[in-house]
Amino acid sequence: DAKTTQPTSMDCAEGRAANLPCNHSTISGNEYVYWYRQIHSQGPQYIIHGLKNNETNEMASLIITEDRKSSTLILPHATLRDTAVYYCIVKAPRGAGSYQLTFGKGTKLSVIP
Amino acid sequence: NAGVTQTPKFQVLKTGQSMTLQCAQDMNHEYMSWYRQDPGMGLRLIHYSVGAGITDQGEVPNGYNVSRSTTEDFPLRLLSAAPSQTSVYFCASSKKPSGYGYTFGSGTRLTVV
Repeated sequence: DAKTTQPTSMDCAEGRAANLPCNHSTISGNEYVYWYRQIHSQGPQYIIHGLKNNETNEMASLIITEDRKSSTLILPHATLRDTAVYYCIVKAPRGAGSYQLTFGKGTKLSVIP
Repeated sequence: NAGVTQTPKFQVLKTGQSMTLQCAQDMNHEYMSWYRQDPGMGLRLIHYSVGAGITDQGEVPNGYNVSRSTTEDFPLRLLSAAPSQTSVYFCASSKKPSGYGYTFGSGTRLTVV
């Protein structure tokens, strides 16, 4: 699986958009980008995933660059409840290593009132 | 409520004791897995199962056993607890192991003294 690089921490004002970047320069053609978040002391929560097209759901938007070497998770109107550690994970849906989500250290997002 | 239920939420064990962490899901998910999370680190896969009767090792399987006799349940057994197994344990399930839509339990916080 491709290695990902995320900033250690970020702040965002409540009500503003939170843009969380992720670099995955060695991503392979069959690898997807997945985003999970972990609110303090809770289990991780799935947010969104994508292959090469931009994706949007009720929680967030995922923007993947055309060369697929980086992506950005966008929380359009951040609230205090969005304060969490956000994990960007790159993996293939099948094949060797496909049964494991490799969680790095993620980005600690703090939403400020 | 549909989801993944883990019991107990907290446990203190003495070195050498054995115990079973319970995990149950009611979503008819085929894939289930156990992760551990140590302070300041991401989650690491212990064992996983792709269906009843089928289990396999993850990244850190030593000292743990699993079995999958039903689709709903995936217990994790600590054979002889060691202080190095002090951690927070998360169970997860999904329809497929592809990486999206994992549902995590709320965790079991285990301390071995």
